[in-house]
Amino acid sequence: AQSVAQPEDQVNVAEGNPLTVKCTYSVSGNPYLFWYVQYPNRGLQFLLKYITGDNLVKGSYGFEAEFNKSQTSFHLKKPSALVSDSALYFCAVSSRDSTLTFGKGTMLLVSP
Amino acid sequence: EAGVVQSPRYKIIEKKQPVAFWCNPISGHNTLYWYRQNLGQGPELLIRYENEEAVDDSQLPKDRFSAERLKGVDSTLKIQPAELGDSAVYLCASSLGSGMNTEAFFGQGTRLTVV
Repeated sequence: AQSVAQPEDQVNVAEGNPLTVKCTYSVSGNPYLFWYVQYPNRGLQFLLKYITGDNLVKGSYGFEAEFNKSQTSFHLKKPSALVSDSALYFCAVSSRDSTLTFGKGTMLLVSP
Repeated sequence: EAGVVQSPRYKIIEKKQPVAFWCNPISGHNTLYWYRQNLGQGPELLIRYENEEAVDDSQLPKDRFSAERLKGVDSTLKIQPAELGDSAVYLCASSLGSGMNTEAFFGQGTRLTVV
């Protein structure tokens, strides 16, 4: 069975500072990894995905994620955080049939 | 292009009552998903459709939950009767195809409160 772990319930960062939201995964075979963001009272929005190739994946709103096969990690990063980045972030892994298995989410709070 | 549309946005019902949720996927998306998101958790799959066929309903509590996707477009998810533990956000998503690298697009969800 596949699984995703997001070890931090909440990440706090000051605006302008770099941010990292951690994610580790467990899956048999090649991993297909995703990050989604959820703003209050809105659905999940796709940020980026890793399929194959370059370990550094660039996505929407200036976010990027680094795939590390040896550490089974797929951490979300952004060089300079914005207050508007404050939201709930979900890491997910895709199964053979495209069904997503999500982590429990990490709340990102960016202070002015 | 319109995204995934769900209705209603919010629903409050008494336990033992029936409830239904509706989803209209993105045009042309043949794969449709229903997920349930409990408070403080990530979404969990209830059922997945390929066109009008339910290809994965292993996590759907079939004693009280049912779903249909007539004509392979819109879908409804029904609970009858509802229990207090069914309070959650029900998310519909759709994707173009069902490959492992296919990203799903989500609707805003229906927040169900059972009292």
